[in-house]
Amino acid sequence: QKEVEQNSGPLSVPEGAIASLNCTYSDRGSQSFFWYRQYSGKSPELIMSIYSNGDKEDGRFTAQLNKASQYVSLLIRDSQPSDSATYLCAVNLNRDDKIIFGKGTRLHILP
Amino acid sequence: GAGVSQTPSNKVTEKGKYVELRCDPISGHTALYWYRQSLGQGPEFLIYFQGTGAADDSGLPNDRFFAVRPEGSVSTLKIQRTERGDSAVYLCASSLTTGTSNQPQHFGDGTRLSIL
Repeated sequence: QKEVEQNSGPLSVPEGAIASLNCTYSDRGSQSFFWYRQYSGKSPELIMSIYSNGDKEDGRFTAQLNKASQYVSLLIRDSQPSDSATYLCAVNLNRDDKIIFGKGTRLHILP
Repeated sequence: GAGVSQTPSNKVTEKGKYVELRCDPISGHTALYWYRQSLGQGPEFLIYFQGTGAADDSGLPNDRFFAVRPEGSVSTLKIQRTERGDSAVYLCASSLTTGTSNQPQHFGDGTRLSIL
């Protein structure tokens, strides 16, 4: 099993709808979870960090963490064309501070 | 500067040559990471520094790759006898690390390395 898994997509969502991005991880002891957005040809930029079970909201973005199921998700409300990008899930590994990225999910918001 | 700075932004060289890629992290960030990203893939972990020491170099693909951070700030990734398969974007990131919770990483713009 890969350490951090994401569906590569593309995920197509109509403008104004909710986009739901999912990520699973293999290390049950992981404590820190991050979502990054990466536009084509650019470097990743942090959207959300989450450390505790439950939901964390920041504007149109909500991160959800379920450590029992080893699952973290990102919801984007009122999707905009500018949200079209690749979304990377990143997780620390419990045995050290190494942070591992998934391959990313390509999101396409349809105008 | 305010962010992570990487130089050069682009590097084109011939197979077999030696290259150095530089990363200047955010001031005060003790953790520094190097990643390699190929088209359509997520960043692949190479090496992580905590201060001057390499805390984890398990991602370096072979002994042609080496990285240093002699004064705990600027880091240099060195690649010897480059091969065409080394072509990728090399990303550097830095973060604060406090206790058991990782702080988010802040990325530089990357160095696009092309081996002809």
